[in-house]
Amino acid sequence: QVQLQESGPGLVQPSQTLSLTCTVSGGSISSGVHYWSWIRQRSGKGLEYIGYIYYSGNTYYSPSLKSRITISVDTSKSQFSLKLSSVTAADTAVYYCATLNDDGDYFDYWGQGTLVTVSS
Amino acid sequence: QSALTQPPSASASPGQSVTISCTGTSSDVGGYNYVSWYQQHPGKAPKLMIYEVTKRPSGVPDRFSGSKSGNTASLTVSGLQSDDEADYHCSSYAGNGWIFGGGTRLTVL
Repeated sequence: QVQLQESGPGLVQPSQTLSLTCTVSGGSISSGVHYWSWIRQRSGKGLEYIGYIYYSGNTYYSPSLKSRITISVDTSKSQFSLKLSSVTAADTAVYYCATLNDDGDYFDYWGQGTLVTVSS
Repeated sequence: QSALTQPPSASASPGQSVTISCTGTSSDVGGYNYVSWYQQHPGKAPKLMIYEVTKRPSGVPDRFSGSKSGNTASLTVSGLQSDDEADYHCSSYAGNGWIFGGGTRLTVL
């Protein structure tokens, strides 16, 4: 059973870079079974897919956020990370790390989520 | 990529059935059998309830079922229980990414 845990600052200043890390346990980040993903939820309602990284380093970024996103993986630490640059209040959200299954059609494991507020 | 359309709310009494719709286009819901549904209780992470339109992960009660017709997918919850009260989100592969609906708040009256 894969378990995911997000970590990172809960408050980020406008125009700065949001940085979050997801620690994976209960499974190998190098297994190739999952695409390691980030999803956010603004205002407690709809979910928004941010992107994924495969253990090999291949990435997918949402077209709407592509210019500001970097997702990386550190297999030695069983962690993957999200960086979102030039943040504004619109980036305030609960950020989840999750796994996209190897067929790429559903998200089977989720972290508990972490609230990031963009404010000065 | 536009979000999928879900009704903001739905309600029914215990023991009854309720169906939640999720409308997309031929480029997402209608084009792939990659629709999934997630249950989210307040303050909790989403939980996978249905995948590939109709399949249930191990441990999900058979009271939960999924279907699709054209560009609209549906989640039906039968024999409603108080613990079913939650937000429900649909998701679909869209050819070059993944999109979600706005979520439906299910109230058990």
